[in-house]
Amino acid sequence: SYVLTQPPSVSVAPGKTARITCGGNNIGGKSVHWYQQKPGQAPVLVISYDSDRPSGIPERFSGSNSWNTATLTISRVEAGDEADYYCQVWDSSSDHYVFGTGTKVTVL
Amino acid sequence: QITLKESGPALVKPTQTLTLTCTFSGFSLSTSGVGVGWIRQPPGKALEWLALIYWNDDKRYSPSLKSRLTITKDTSKNQVVLTMTNMDPVDTATYYCAHRAGDDSSGYYDNWGQGTLVTVSS
Repeated sequence: SYVLTQPPSVSVAPGKTARITCGGNNIGGKSVHWYQQKPGQAPVLVISYDSDRPSGIPERFSGSNSWNTATLTISRVEAGDEADYYCQVWDSSSDHYVFGTGTKVTVL
Repeated sequence: QITLKESGPALVKPTQTLTLTCTFSGFSLSTSGVGVGWIRQPPGKALEWLALIYWNDDKRYSPSLKSRLTITKDTSKNQVVLTMTNMDPVDTATYYCAHRAGDDSSGYYDNWGQGTLVTVSS
Protein backbone atom coordinates (compact mmCIF):
# COMPACT_ATOMS: atom_id res chain seq x y z
CA SER A 1 0.00 0.00 0.00
CA TYR A 2 1.29 3.44 -0.95
CA VAL A 3 2.34 5.61 1.99
CA LEU A 4 2.62 9.41 2.15
CA THR A 5 4.76 10.73 4.99
CA GLN A 6 4.54 14.29 6.33
CA PRO A 7 6.29 15.94 9.26
CA PRO A 8 3.93 16.10 12.26
CA SER A 9 4.47 19.79 12.80
CA VAL A 10 5.98 22.92 11.31
CA SER A 11 6.37 26.20 13.16
CA VAL A 12 6.83 29.52 11.40
CA ALA A 13 6.88 33.18 12.34
CA PRO A 14 4.39 35.57 10.74
CA GLY A 15 5.64 36.94 7.45
CA LYS A 16 8.06 34.07 6.93
CA THR A 17 7.83 31.04 4.64
CA ALA A 18 6.50 27.62 5.66
CA ARG A 19 7.41 24.52 3.68
CA ILE A 20 5.48 21.31 4.24
CA THR A 21 6.84 18.15 2.70
CA CYS A 22 5.04 15.00 1.56
CA GLY A 23 7.25 12.00 0.93
CA GLY A 24 6.34 8.98 -1.15
CA ASN A 25 8.04 6.46 -3.40
CA ASN A 26 8.46 8.19 -6.78
CA ILE A 27 5.77 10.69 -5.87
CA GLY A 28 7.15 12.88 -8.64
CA GLY A 29 5.39 10.53 -11.05
CA LYS A 30 2.00 11.22 -9.50
CA SER A 31 -0.25 14.25 -9.21
CA VAL A 32 -0.35 15.65 -5.68
CA HIS A 33 -3.19 17.61 -4.15
CA TRP A 34 -3.13 19.57 -0.88
CA TYR A 35 -5.81 20.39 1.67
CA GLN A 36 -6.02 22.82 4.56
CA GLN A 37 -8.13 21.89 7.58
CA LYS A 38 -8.87 24.29 10.40
CA PRO A 39 -10.18 23.02 13.76
CA GLY A 40 -13.78 21.83 13.59
CA GLN A 41 -14.00 22.41 9.84
CA ALA A 42 -13.98 20.25 6.73
CA PRO A 43 -10.82 20.18 4.60
CA VAL A 44 -10.42 22.79 1.87
CA LEU A 45 -8.50 22.16 -1.34
CA VAL A 46 -5.61 24.63 -1.64
CA ILE A 47 -3.48 23.06 -4.40
CA SER A 48 -4.36 20.57 -7.14
CA TYR A 49 -2.10 18.83 -9.67
CA ASP A 50 1.08 19.66 -7.79
CA SER A 51 0.90 23.43 -8.23
CA ASP A 52 -2.52 24.65 -9.41
CA ARG A 53 -4.38 27.02 -7.12
CA PRO A 54 -8.18 26.79 -7.06
CA SER A 55 -10.15 29.97 -7.35
CA GLY A 56 -10.09 31.94 -4.11
CA ILE A 57 -6.83 30.50 -2.78
CA PRO A 58 -4.20 33.22 -2.18
CA GLU A 59 -1.11 33.34 -4.37
CA ARG A 60 0.90 32.83 -1.19
CA PHE A 61 0.13 29.12 -1.53
CA SER A 62 2.24 27.23 -4.05
CA GLY A 63 3.31 23.66 -4.67
CA SER A 64 6.03 21.58 -6.29
CA ASN A 65 6.68 17.90 -6.83
CA SER A 66 9.84 16.06 -7.78
CA TRP A 67 11.38 12.65 -7.27
CA ASN A 68 10.30 11.39 -3.85
CA THR A 69 9.04 14.63 -2.29
CA ALA A 70 6.18 17.03 -2.92
CA THR A 71 6.20 20.39 -1.15
CA LEU A 72 3.51 22.88 -0.20
CA THR A 73 4.95 26.36 0.33
CA ILE A 74 3.14 29.12 2.17
CA SER A 75 4.79 32.51 1.70
CA ARG A 76 4.30 35.52 3.94
CA VAL A 77 2.57 33.37 6.52
CA GLU A 78 -0.40 34.86 8.35
CA ALA A 79 -2.05 33.86 11.61
CA GLY A 80 -5.03 32.60 9.61
CA ASP A 81 -2.83 29.96 7.94
CA GLU A 82 -2.57 28.04 11.19
CA ALA A 83 -4.16 24.69 10.39
CA ASP A 84 -3.52 21.05 9.55
CA TYR A 85 -2.37 20.34 6.00
CA TYR A 86 -2.74 17.05 4.11
CA CYS A 87 -1.33 15.83 0.82
CA GLN A 88 -3.25 13.33 -1.33
CA VAL A 89 -2.61 11.21 -4.40
CA TRP A 90 -4.33 8.58 -6.50
CA ASP A 91 -2.37 5.34 -6.34
CA SER A 92 -3.00 3.78 -9.73
CA SER A 93 -1.20 0.54 -8.87
CA SER A 94 -3.69 -0.31 -6.14
CA ASP A 95 -6.55 1.78 -7.50
CA HIS A 96 -7.33 3.89 -4.47
CA TYR A 97 -6.79 7.31 -2.95
CA VAL A 98 -4.21 7.98 -0.26
CA PHE A 99 -3.93 10.87 2.19
CA GLY A 100 -0.74 11.89 3.92
CA THR A 101 -0.20 11.71 7.66
CA GLY A 102 -0.88 15.41 8.08
CA THR A 103 1.17 18.40 9.26
CA LYS A 104 0.11 20.90 11.90
CA VAL A 105 1.31 24.38 11.02
CA THR A 106 1.75 26.67 13.99
CA VAL A 107 2.22 30.40 13.52
CA LEU A 108 4.46 31.69 16.29
CA GLN B 1 -22.79 26.01 -6.28
CA ILE B 2 -21.97 22.49 -5.08
CA THR B 3 -23.11 21.44 -1.62
CA LEU B 4 -23.01 18.09 0.16
CA LYS B 5 -24.43 17.01 3.49
CA GLU B 6 -23.94 13.81 5.42
CA SER B 7 -26.67 12.23 7.53
CA GLY B 8 -26.90 9.15 9.69
CA PRO B 9 -26.80 7.93 13.28
CA ALA B 10 -24.55 9.68 15.75
CA LEU B 11 -24.20 6.54 17.86
CA VAL B 12 -23.95 2.89 16.85
CA LYS B 13 -23.23 -0.20 18.89
CA PRO B 14 -20.30 -2.53 18.26
CA THR B 15 -21.02 -5.17 15.59
CA GLN B 16 -23.84 -3.09 14.11
CA THR B 17 -23.94 -1.85 10.53
CA LEU B 18 -23.54 1.88 9.89
CA THR B 19 -25.50 3.49 7.07
CA LEU B 20 -24.60 7.03 6.03
CA THR B 21 -26.30 9.12 3.37
CA CYS B 22 -24.72 11.95 1.40
CA THR B 23 -27.27 14.33 -0.13
CA PHE B 24 -25.83 16.72 -2.66
CA SER B 25 -26.81 19.53 -5.01
CA GLY B 26 -25.16 21.58 -7.70
CA PHE B 27 -24.08 18.63 -9.85
CA SER B 28 -25.45 15.38 -11.26
CA LEU B 29 -24.02 11.93 -10.70
CA SER B 30 -25.15 11.01 -14.18
CA THR B 31 -22.65 13.43 -15.74
CA SER B 32 -19.55 11.82 -17.22
CA GLY B 33 -16.49 12.10 -15.00
CA VAL B 34 -18.33 12.94 -11.79
CA GLY B 35 -17.72 11.04 -8.56
CA VAL B 36 -18.59 11.16 -4.85
CA GLY B 37 -16.26 9.84 -2.22
CA TRP B 38 -16.27 9.14 1.51
CA ILE B 39 -13.41 10.08 3.83
CA ARG B 40 -13.26 9.72 7.60
CA GLN B 41 -11.21 11.24 10.41
CA PRO B 42 -10.93 9.77 13.90
CA PRO B 43 -10.72 12.43 16.62
CA GLY B 44 -7.31 14.06 16.56
CA LYS B 45 -6.08 11.87 13.72
CA ALA B 46 -5.47 12.07 9.99
CA LEU B 47 -7.88 11.80 7.08
CA GLU B 48 -8.54 8.29 5.78
CA TRP B 49 -10.06 7.65 2.36
CA LEU B 50 -12.83 5.03 2.35
CA ALA B 51 -14.67 4.72 -0.96
CA LEU B 52 -15.64 6.39 -4.24
CA ILE B 53 -18.47 5.92 -6.72
CA TYR B 54 -18.39 7.27 -10.27
CA TRP B 55 -21.16 8.47 -12.55
CA ASN B 56 -21.05 5.13 -14.41
CA ASP B 57 -21.47 3.15 -11.15
CA ASP B 58 -17.81 2.17 -11.10
CA LYS B 59 -16.69 1.82 -7.47
CA ARG B 60 -13.42 1.91 -5.56
CA TYR B 61 -12.74 0.92 -1.96
CA SER B 62 -9.98 1.25 0.59
CA PRO B 63 -8.08 -2.06 0.45
CA SER B 64 -7.98 -2.34 4.24
CA LEU B 65 -11.76 -1.86 4.62
CA LYS B 66 -13.06 -3.28 1.36
CA SER B 67 -14.72 -6.30 2.96
CA ARG B 68 -16.83 -4.09 5.21
CA LEU B 69 -17.82 -1.27 2.84
CA THR B 70 -20.53 -0.85 0.23
CA ILE B 71 -21.15 2.36 -1.71
CA THR B 72 -24.24 2.95 -3.83
CA LYS B 73 -25.94 5.87 -5.55
CA ASP B 74 -29.45 7.04 -6.24
CA THR B 75 -29.12 9.48 -9.09
CA SER B 76 -32.77 10.51 -9.02
CA LYS B 77 -32.48 11.54 -5.37
CA ASN B 78 -28.98 13.04 -5.64
CA GLN B 79 -27.77 10.73 -2.90
CA VAL B 80 -24.86 8.42 -2.23
CA VAL B 81 -25.05 5.83 0.54
CA LEU B 82 -22.15 4.22 2.38
CA THR B 83 -22.64 1.16 4.55
CA MET B 84 -19.99 -0.20 6.90
CA THR B 85 -20.54 -3.52 8.61
CA ASN B 86 -19.31 -4.86 11.92
CA MET B 87 -18.62 -1.48 13.51
CA ASP B 88 -15.98 -1.25 16.22
CA PRO B 89 -15.00 1.53 18.64
CA VAL B 90 -11.93 2.23 16.46
CA ASP B 91 -14.37 3.28 13.71
CA THR B 92 -15.39 6.29 15.80
CA ALA B 93 -14.74 9.23 13.51
CA THR B 94 -16.14 12.17 11.61
CA TYR B 95 -17.32 10.89 8.24
CA TYR B 96 -17.19 13.24 5.24
CA CYS B 97 -18.57 12.92 1.75
CA ALA B 98 -16.96 14.96 -1.00
CA HIS B 99 -17.28 15.75 -4.70
CA ARG B 100 -14.50 14.19 -6.73
CA ALA B 101 -13.02 16.26 -9.55
CA GLY B 102 -10.08 15.91 -11.89
CA ASP B 103 -9.11 13.74 -14.83
CA ASP B 104 -9.01 9.98 -15.22
CA SER B 105 -5.35 9.70 -14.20
CA SER B 106 -5.81 11.46 -10.89
CA GLY B 107 -8.50 13.09 -8.83
CA TYR B 108 -9.08 15.36 -5.89
CA TYR B 109 -11.94 16.47 -3.68
CA ASP B 110 -12.93 20.06 -4.33
CA ASN B 111 -16.12 20.28 -2.30
CA TRP B 112 -16.77 18.63 1.06
CA GLY B 113 -19.72 18.16 3.34
CA GLN B 114 -19.59 19.44 6.89
CA GLY B 115 -19.02 15.92 8.21
CA THR B 116 -20.96 13.83 10.69
CA LEU B 117 -19.50 12.41 13.89
CA VAL B 118 -20.21 8.73 14.45
CA THR B 119 -19.42 7.22 17.83
CA VAL B 120 -19.24 3.47 18.28
CA SER B 121 -20.02 2.47 21.84
CA SER B 122 -22.17 0.02 23.73
